[in-house]
Amino acid sequence: GENVEQHPSTLSVQEGDSAVIKCTYSDSASNYFPWYKQELGKRPQLIIDIRSNVGEKKDQRIAVTLNKTAKHFSLHITETQPEDSAVYFCAASRGGFGFQKLVFGTGTRLLVSP
Amino acid sequence: DAGVTQSPTHLIKTRGQQVTLRCSPISGHKSVSWYQQVLGQGPQFIFQYYEKEERGRGNFPDRFSARQFPNYSSELNVNALLLGDSALYLCASSEGLTGGNTIYFGEGSWLTVV
Repeated sequence: GENVEQHPSTLSVQEGDSAVIKCTYSDSASNYFPWYKQELGKRPQLIIDIRSNVGEKKDQRIAVTLNKTAKHFSLHITETQPEDSAVYFCAASRGGFGFQKLVFGTGTRLLVSP
Repeated sequence: DAGVTQSPTHLIKTRGQQVTLRCSPISGHKSVSWYQQVLGQGPQFIFQYYEKEERGRGNFPDRFSARQFPNYSSELNVNALLLGDSALYLCASSEGLTGGNTIYFGEGSWLTVV
C-alpha cells in the first residue's frame, strides 16, 4: 500500500539557519505533494505544494524539490525564524482512482531557537 | 472569504455513545474529505465525498459514516464510540476529485471519549 516516510522526526536549529525535511513515498503513481505546518492545537496549514510535472517550487523562504525517479521530495526553509517552530507534515496523493487521498508522513517537529 | 468551517470545536462523549460532526467547505468547493488525527501522528484519511456521493473510503470500521448535502456541507457520524476514537477530526475541502487538487483543512473537532 501507500507509505510516506519522513525524516528527521525532530529538528533543532538556530534562528537564521536553514532547515531541510525529507520525505520518501512508495506509490510511483503519486502526483501531488503538499507540505503542511501544524502549530500546537491548530489545523494543518498548507504552506507549499508541488505537482509531479515540476521539479522545484519556491515561495519566499520556503522551497520544495521533487525527484520522481528516487520518489523523494524535500522541504527547505531558509533564514528560519522562531515563528517557524511547529510540526511539519509531508503528504502524497495520486489521481486516477476517482478520489483523492492524502497519505501523510509521520511529521517533523521543528524548533527554531532565538 | 470564509475557509473550511467545522463544528463543534470540542466535545466529550462517553464510550458507546454516538457523535455527529459538521463541516462546510470553502465556497465553490464540491469535495469534502474527513481525516482523523490521533495525537502525535499525521492525519489519516476516512472518507471523500463529491457531489453528495462517497468516492473513497479509508481503513475505518463501519461505525464511521458520512454524508454530503446539496449545499456541499457534510456530516461525519461515529457510532458506538471507543476510547481509541479520541482524536482531532479534520474536514478538508477541495474543488474536485483528481489527485492534483489543493486540499485545505478546517480547524477540526476535538473529540474526547471517556
